[in-house]
Amino acid sequence: NAGVTQTPKFRVLKTGQSMTLLCAQDMNHEYMYWYRQDPGMGLRLIHYSVGEGTTAKGEVPDGYNVSRLKKQNFLLGLESAAPSQTSVYFCASRQTSGVAKNIQYFGAGTRLSVL
Amino acid sequence: AQSVTQLGSHVSVSEGALVLLRCNYSSSVPPYLFWYVQYPNQGLQLLLKYTTGATLVKGINGFEAEFKKSETSFHLTKPSAHMSDAAEYFCAVSLSGGYQKVTFGTGTKLQVIP
Repeated sequence: NAGVTQTPKFRVLKTGQSMTLLCAQDMNHEYMYWYRQDPGMGLRLIHYSVGEGTTAKGEVPDGYNVSRLKKQNFLLGLESAAPSQTSVYFCASRQTSGVAKNIQYFGAGTRLSVL
Repeated sequence: AQSVTQLGSHVSVSEGALVLLRCNYSSSVPPYLFWYVQYPNQGLQLLLKYTTGATLVKGINGFEAEFKKSETSFHLTKPSAHMSDAAEYFCAVSLSGGYQKVTFGTGTKLQVIP
């Protein structure tokens, strides 16, 4: 009964380093999302995917890249980390039909600090 | 376009008192509305949702919300606060169809005082 799993849970980077955040869901959902959460700003959409092999930009895509090579996985990459990317990152997924189609299911988050 | 405004970033209530968290939305078409709860160091969990039909929606943990189109509001209430209700609450709005862009409010932290 895993749902949406994010790895790692915590990470500290130095400015300029790169890293990849992994999101995995076992609910066979089509849609997947990456958000960042900053104090007083709610959640902002970074990128999203409507299916395997497709991705699109959200509200705040700059400095991030994503890939959806497998339906169950959605990767978020930071090529050259900046202190402004210090945040908590959440992945979410949702199905496209049925009674629960409007509900997004969230992972527990990844806390990233960029020094 | 759609937007959400949550009034009050912090709300304190006594244990057993009424909980009222305010949410107003803006949407060009009939919206879907949600309340999510976030406990410390956890992800967001759906409390309740309104899509169509009955305007009074009941959710988990004794929470409910009423969709009032004339007031563009979707306030969250619970008759009697419990210590375990202390968390951050997010109101969200989306439009049906497409990838369903969801716009979140900035959140309200609920403190429950013993």
